[in-house]
Amino acid sequence: QKEVEQNSGPLSVPEGAIASLNCTYSDRGSQSFFWYRQYSGKSPELIMFIYSNGDKEDGRFTAQLNKASQYVSLLIRDSQPSDSATYLCAVSGAGSYQLTFGKGTKLSVIP
Amino acid sequence: DAGITQSPRHKVTETGTPVTLRCHQTENHRYMYWYRQDPGHGLRLIHYSYGVKDTDKGEVSDGYSVSRSKTEDFLLTLESATSSQTSVYFCAISESLGQGNGNIQYFGAGTRLSVL
Repeated sequence: QKEVEQNSGPLSVPEGAIASLNCTYSDRGSQSFFWYRQYSGKSPELIMFIYSNGDKEDGRFTAQLNKASQYVSLLIRDSQPSDSATYLCAVSGAGSYQLTFGKGTKLSVIP
Repeated sequence: DAGITQSPRHKVTETGTPVTLRCHQTENHRYMYWYRQDPGHGLRLIHYSYGVKDTDKGEVSDGYSVSRSKTEDFLLTLESATSSQTSVYFCAISESLGQGNGNIQYFGAGTRLSVL
């Protein structure tokens, strides 16, 4: 069974710091990797996706992928209180239309 | 919101009653999904559809059925609701990333269902 593991947190960081969120996955055939942000009582919102080894940057967000280690991470620079949310990691296999989600990491950015 | 509307947004019902949740999309996406989200379990796939009248089971399909008679509508039915089906239900659609790089899923606003 495909598994996606995340530290449930809560992860607390001071405002302005770098938040680092981590995710590991069990299926070596996984191809695409996604980070969703979910505010309390709201639906998941896509932040970033990555499918090549290395880093992908979008504004204050950087996704990092290491397929050899089966590890994907999300860095949030200059963290803001508005970044406080649960972050979901999701993984899909080659040619698959399904996503497997981790249980999420709750991030709290302290002013 | 990728043109996804879920209805109702909130529902309270009694054990043993049938419940139908509706997901409506306006952008002609082929793939549609129903998930439930519970504390400690994350998002779990119930059923998905890959076209009109084409559906398949997900991880937690027991006690649920689905139908898709039109591209735009995907219905989730609880034939006889139980308290264990109290949850938040999300509908999602899938868009291709192209070049064989997989698919992004976008979510509706969710339906909060309470079964008493």
